[in-house]
Amino acid sequence: GAVVSQHPSRVICKSGTSVKIECRSLDFQATTMFWYRQFPKQSLMLMATSNEGSKATYEQGVEKDKFLINHASLTLSTLTVTSAHPEDSSFYICSARDIGAGGNQPQHFGDGTRLSIL
Amino acid sequence: GQNIDQPTEMTATEGAIVQINCTYQTSGFNGLFWYQQHAGEAPTFLSYNVLDGLEEKGRFSSFLSRSKGYSYLLLKELQMKDSASYLCAVKDSNYQLIWGAGTKLIIKP
Repeated sequence: GAVVSQHPSRVICKSGTSVKIECRSLDFQATTMFWYRQFPKQSLMLMATSNEGSKATYEQGVEKDKFLINHASLTLSTLTVTSAHPEDSSFYICSARDIGAGGNQPQHFGDGTRLSIL
Repeated sequence: GQNIDQPTEMTATEGAIVQINCTYQTSGFNGLFWYQQHAGEAPTFLSYNVLDGLEEKGRFSSFLSRSKGYSYLLLKELQMKDSASYLCAVKDSNYQLIWGAGTKLIIKP
């Protein structure tokens, strides 16, 4: 089945640090990847849609200069949380959909990155 | 606005059956998904419905009524490992996924 690899799984760092999270589709190509954030006991919140070869589409209220997204290839998207602060601590999850699949195919999720800013 | 409603929490007994309901109001409809999410983990895909009716997959079944904007996930022969959150998500007319807040299912021995 389709596998999405997300790395790192956990990050603990000081306030002001920039953190990069990678999302790779291992056995399929994805023109579109999605970045979500999930706070404890809350639902998934879509942050942005990452498009290969073009700019990401950010959801309302998400700062594009703080959450930098680069979709460099059909199998890799990165999210960089710049100058992270404690309020950015959350569970970040990426997902991707097979380029060859129809619109009815599910998104495949990475294992998530738990970010803790001290 | 777009809205998906699910119960916040449900409790059931090991070996029993539980039905988790989901109602939705979205701008268009292009399918409904159910995902399972264990605490601290990413969601995993369970089922997909785009036509009315019941889709069965092992111990799990999912039902859809588009006219009623309603779906349910049915879990049979509950096991302790089924304790998780169950997320209902609808793909709208723009093929964007709209997520429900999830239903936390607690299984008791």
